[in-house]
Amino acid sequence: DVKVTQSSRYLVKRTGEKVFLECVQDMDHENMFWYRQDPGLGLRLIYFSYDVKMKEKGDIPEGYSVSREKKERFSLILESASTNQTSMYLCASGLRNEQFFGPGTRLTVL
Amino acid sequence: GQNIDQPTEMTATEGAIVQINCTYQTSGFNGLFWYQQHAGEAPTFLSYNVLDGLEEKGRFSSFLSRSKGYSYLLLKELQMKDSASYLCAVRGTSGGATNKLIFGTGTLLAVQP
Repeated sequence: DVKVTQSSRYLVKRTGEKVFLECVQDMDHENMFWYRQDPGLGLRLIYFSYDVKMKEKGDIPEGYSVSREKKERFSLILESASTNQTSMYLCASGLRNEQFFGPGTRLTVL
Repeated sequence: GQNIDQPTEMTATEGAIVQINCTYQTSGFNGLFWYQQHAGEAPTFLSYNVLDGLEEKGRFSSFLSRSKGYSYLLLKELQMKDSASYLCAVRGTSGGATNKLIFGTGTLLAVQP
């Protein structure tokens, strides 16, 4: 059965903290993605990766970075968290014609 | 620019049929996707269209017209569990990505008894 897992369902951090969100997939997919989802704005792509150590900016990369050292793991990093990064973060991994999403991490930055 | 439009909310009655529309303007076109997302859960894949016409999958069907930049998701024999957000997403051809999707803001469907 297809599985994408994220390290936390809920996370509370303080402004200025460094935050790591981890995503792991067990489907041997080459493509992995990080989105954030906000009311009225829908899902917006932050970064994606189509191979180990490869990454490309999505539509809203500012304030974020990513790491893909192994095929199954894709990490999202907030170098210095800010309140406007409070959101639901969704990781996905994908085949050509389908993306599978993880359960999401609801991050609150105080 | 790139734009995907779908209605914000819809209401329908259990047992009825509902059609959720999606119009898009993107840099190239390489497929249209529909996802279902229940409150507090991750989106799940429903359908994929790349050629014009209707794709049927059980109670759900999806239609595409590339010349009109238009798609719809048709849900038949509505059940209470169909209450969810329905996300339309388009895969463009720019950016060099193999599977980069642009999502609409979603249509929140409420099914009433």
